[in-house]
Amino acid sequence: LAKTTQPISMDSYEGQEVNITCSHNNIATNDYITWYQQFPSQGPRFIIQGYKTKVTNEVASLFIPADRKSSTLSLPRVSLSDTAVYYCLVGPGYSSASKIIFGSGTRLSIRP
Amino acid sequence: EPEVTQTPSHQVTQMGQEVILRCVPISNHLYFYWYRQILGQKVEFLVSFYNNEISEKSEIFDDQFSVERPDGSNFTLKIRSTKLEDSAMYFCASSEIGTRDQPQHFGDGTRLSIL
Repeated sequence: LAKTTQPISMDSYEGQEVNITCSHNNIATNDYITWYQQFPSQGPRFIIQGYKTKVTNEVASLFIPADRKSSTLSLPRVSLSDTAVYYCLVGPGYSSASKIIFGSGTRLSIRP
Repeated sequence: EPEVTQTPSHQVTQMGQEVILRCVPISNHLYFYWYRQILGQKVEFLVSFYNNEISEKSEIFDDQFSVERPDGSNFTLKIRSTKLEDSAMYFCASSEIGTRDQPQHFGDGTRLSIL
């Protein structure tokens, strides 16, 4: 599984756009990029997944450059409830009972 | 939106006792997983399960652990003789089969406290 590097923590304010970048220099051809969110005392929750270019859903956008060696999770107009740990995961499509290897994630703190 | 449900939300057990953690995966999912998270640490993979057998297990998943799908809806994790270091949040997850872009869906966990 490709190693990922993301900031340990980030701070922002309500109403701001937050961008969390993840580096994955050794990403393989068949790897997807997946982001999960975890609130305290809750299970990780899938946010978004992509392979290349841009993916957008009702929660976030994921930007992936052509070389796929990094990706950026973009959270538009964050609120206090977006305070959580965000995990960047890189691996093959999770279609065959593949385990998820979680890193330490990015602890995002949103202030009023 | 369908979700993975886990019971109980909190389990307190004496060291050496057996404990069973229960999970109801999303109904059309066929892959099941258990993870654990010790307080303040990373989420760690324990075991994956498909077609009534273990697909993969980690070093943590030793002989004290077992998993079972006793009926068409439940997926259980049993710890035979609990140790203090088994205290953690235990998360169950499930995923669909055959589509590479389907993520794992997690429950909100069981907090296991060993006294």
